[in-house]
Amino acid sequence: KQEVTQIPAALSVPEGENLVLNCSFTDSAIYNLQWFRQDPGKGLTSLLLIQSSQREQTSGRLNASLDKSSGRSTLYIAASQPGDSATYLCAVGDLGNAGNMLTFGGGTRLMVKP
Amino acid sequence: DAGVIQSPRHEVTEMGQEVTLRCKPISGHNSLFWYRQTMMRGLELLIYFNNNVPIDDSGMPEDRFSAKMPNASFSTLKIQPSEPRDSAVYFCASRRRAGDTEAFFGQGTRLTVV
Repeated sequence: KQEVTQIPAALSVPEGENLVLNCSFTDSAIYNLQWFRQDPGKGLTSLLLIQSSQREQTSGRLNASLDKSSGRSTLYIAASQPGDSATYLCAVGDLGNAGNMLTFGGGTRLMVKP
Repeated sequence: DAGVIQSPRHEVTEMGQEVTLRCKPISGHNSLFWYRQTMMRGLELLIYFNNNVPIDDSGMPEDRFSAKMPNASFSTLKIQPSEPRDSAVYFCASRRRAGDTEAFFGQGTRLTVV
């Protein structure tokens, strides 16, 4: 059974810092991996989707990388801003069901201080 | 597009009552998912549909839970009878097609069973 872990569980940084959020998974037979952002009391907002054949995806100040062999993905946030404060979740779509069944990590709660 | 629409946003009910949660996926999306989020267990997939057909309901916790998708634009998750341990945020998500596209989430229904 796929298990997804995110470390750290919480992170507090000053505005302007570049930061890296980590996601690890136990079964490398994945279909894709998706990063989400969740604001308090809200739903999940998709940030980036990486297919298993890709190494990275970029959107604005966000860059996500994928290393299937080591079972890891990182989300890099450049020049962090207070508006980036949220919980970031990674979710792995397993190969066996064509990526449909997402297994979520526990999330990293990020606070960016002005 | 208005995104995935869930109703109600909040539901408070007494133990033993029937609860029905509703979801309207994004138009043109062929896959629909029901998730539950709690502090203890994080996000868990309950059931998903492809082209209105239930594909995997292994995450449905008990027979008290049932889900239907009578057409491409509507799905329900029903709990009967409800129990206090069912209290959670229930999310609906949809995808344009299986696996290799982003999953988009609704704002969730916060259910409290007293």
